[in-house]
Amino acid sequence: GENVEQHPSTLSVQEGDSAVIKCTYSDSASNYFPWYKQELGKGPQLIIDIRSNVGEKKDQRIAVTLNKTAKHFSLHITETQPEDSAVYFCAAGNQAGTALIFGKGTTLSVSS
Amino acid sequence: KAGVTQTPRYLIKTRGQQVTLSCSPISGHRSVSWYQQTPGQGLQFLFEYFSETQRNKGNFPGRFSGRQFSNSRSEMNVSTLELGDSALYLCASSLGLGLAGEETQYFGPGTRLLVL
Repeated sequence: GENVEQHPSTLSVQEGDSAVIKCTYSDSASNYFPWYKQELGKGPQLIIDIRSNVGEKKDQRIAVTLNKTAKHFSLHITETQPEDSAVYFCAAGNQAGTALIFGKGTTLSVSS
Repeated sequence: KAGVTQTPRYLIKTRGQQVTLSCSPISGHRSVSWYQQTPGQGLQFLFEYFSETQRNKGNFPGRFSGRQFSNSRSEMNVSTLELGDSALYLCASSLGLGLAGEETQYFGPGTRLLVL
């Protein structure tokens, strides 16, 4: 079945450093790739998404790149801050953006 | 605009019982998806409802079911509860129209179910 692999599972960085999380997906029909941030006791919150007709998207300190040929996409966070500490999930989905297949998550810790 | 709301937030049940969880989507959203989150399996898709019809389904046993009402509110039911059903159940809503560049799923805070 469809599968999304996410690496690393944990990531520790110093404040101000960059963080990169990588995901690969198996279903070539996937064309929507969101990233979610989940803080303790809360539901996942969308931080950025990208669609298959775009190779890169940026929103302030956050950027996502997509390589559809290789079936992988990455999240880049620059100038990390302690409040960026959370669990980050990548996902792959269909055109409607529903029935998302999630990666296992990356626990990001930013120390000051 | 109010976000996705889920009730109850916490629930304790015993094995063999059944449970019903409720989700109210963002106003105007017609798609509601349900996910199960556990430490071992992560976030797994259960099913999606759109306009009162199940549109997509994940790989869960028939004990897991759902429905959607005409106002887009949705419920999911788990019958004959097992210890392994202990999890955070998340609901997400979206427009559901499949419009390119328009579809984003917004998650609720979840219902934490503990089965004893």
